[in-house]
Amino acid sequence: DAKTTQPPSMDCAEGRAANLPCNHSTISGNEYVYWYRQIHSQGPQYIIHGLKNNETNEMASLIITEDRKSSTLILPHATLRDTAVYYCIVRVGNSGGYQKVTFGTGTKLQVIP
Amino acid sequence: ETGVTQTPRHLVMGMTNKKSLKCEQHLGHNAMYWYKQSAKKPLELMFVYNFKEQTENNSVPSRFSPECPNSSHLFLHLHTLQPEDSALYLCASSRTVNTEAFFGQGTRLTVV
Repeated sequence: DAKTTQPPSMDCAEGRAANLPCNHSTISGNEYVYWYRQIHSQGPQYIIHGLKNNETNEMASLIITEDRKSSTLILPHATLRDTAVYYCIVRVGNSGGYQKVTFGTGTKLQVIP
Repeated sequence: ETGVTQTPRHLVMGMTNKKSLKCEQHLGHNAMYWYKQSAKKPLELMFVYNFKEQTENNSVPSRFSPECPNSSHLFLHLHTLQPEDSALYLCASSRTVNTEAFFGQGTRLTVV
């Protein structure tokens, strides 16, 4: 799996959009970008994933640059419950054999009232 | 509720005890995983099971023994643990080994 780089921490005001960046400059053509988050003392929660097109679901939007070397997770209206550590991971999608997934240290997002 | 249930949620055990952690998923997934998360460290993958067969053992000490009797259940048997094994143990499952994983709430283990 390609290595990812995320800022260690970010603050966001409640109600504003939270934009979490991730660099993955060595991503391969068949690798997807996945985002998870982990609220304190709970298991990680899957958020969204994408290959090259922008994706949106009920939780967030994922914007992937045209060269696929970076991406941004957008929480459109952050709430206090979005305070968590956010992990960006790149991995091969639903094909081929298992590839070990490595969770880095992520970005600790603090939503401020 | 992620569809992955872990029991117990908290466990305190002595170094000479034997205990087991249980994980159950109701999602019809074929792959299951054990992860360890120590304080202020990233998640560490321990074991991967695909269609009940172990496909990954990430150099885990033998005092941790996994068991996967079927695709819905995963156990982690613990014996003669050390205090440094105290951590949050997380179970996860996924439809295939390369699709998104769904995690349980974890078992907070304290070894005394």
